[in-house]
Amino acid sequence: DTAVSQTPKYLVTQMGNDKSIKCEQNLGHDTMYWYKQDSKKFLKIMFSYNNKELIINETVPNRFSPKSPDKAHLNLHINSLELGDSAVYFCASSQASQGSYGYTFGSGTRLTVV
Amino acid sequence: GNSVTQMEGPVTLSEEAFLTINCTYTATGYPSLFWYVQYPGEGLQLLLKATKADDKGSNKGFEATYRKETTSFHLEKGSVQVSDSAVYFCALSGYNTNAGKSTFGDGTTLTVKP
Repeated sequence: DTAVSQTPKYLVTQMGNDKSIKCEQNLGHDTMYWYKQDSKKFLKIMFSYNNKELIINETVPNRFSPKSPDKAHLNLHINSLELGDSAVYFCASSQASQGSYGYTFGSGTRLTVV
Repeated sequence: GNSVTQMEGPVTLSEEAFLTINCTYTATGYPSLFWYVQYPGEGLQLLLKATKADDKGSNKGFEATYRKETTSFHLEKGSVQVSDSAVYFCALSGYNTNAGKSTFGDGTTLTVKP
């Protein structure tokens, strides 16, 4: 199936731990994104990579570090997790040169910090 | 900068009622406009889009028309079903600007009661 897939779907962890979320797309898109969705459903962009190059880095604590080993993968590593990091994190991809195509989203990773 | 303003929710309707969710935007140039739908526990899915003025996007009985004169892209459906209960996001994307970054509205939660 062509898709954007994220793992894990659920992540429950204690404060202070370090965790990673992985994302892969097989759509041949050149741009990938991480979004954070809070409990009110507001979406906030965190990072964007275009062909492995970081192009959007919004105001995000530097405990969050994205890594893109190739244009089909974008991972998110979070150090020293805090209660406020609890949210749903979405990966998405698009073909940047075709802004009219829209995004394809993954199904999300629900992170709960206890 | 670009911005999207959506009608605040939540919206509660009875089955077979008419739906309108208002969306207005601010952007330079000629953005593409989108509606995404997020069903409970899932990621966002592209519902419909329009890429130029007066275009009408449609899908699954939903429609929206790109109105440049009023900078609007209101979502409509003539007869909603319980299965349409979801969060709806209006979004825009400038062509080839900032690598296709989309700007999302805050989302409108729709609940349809039988």
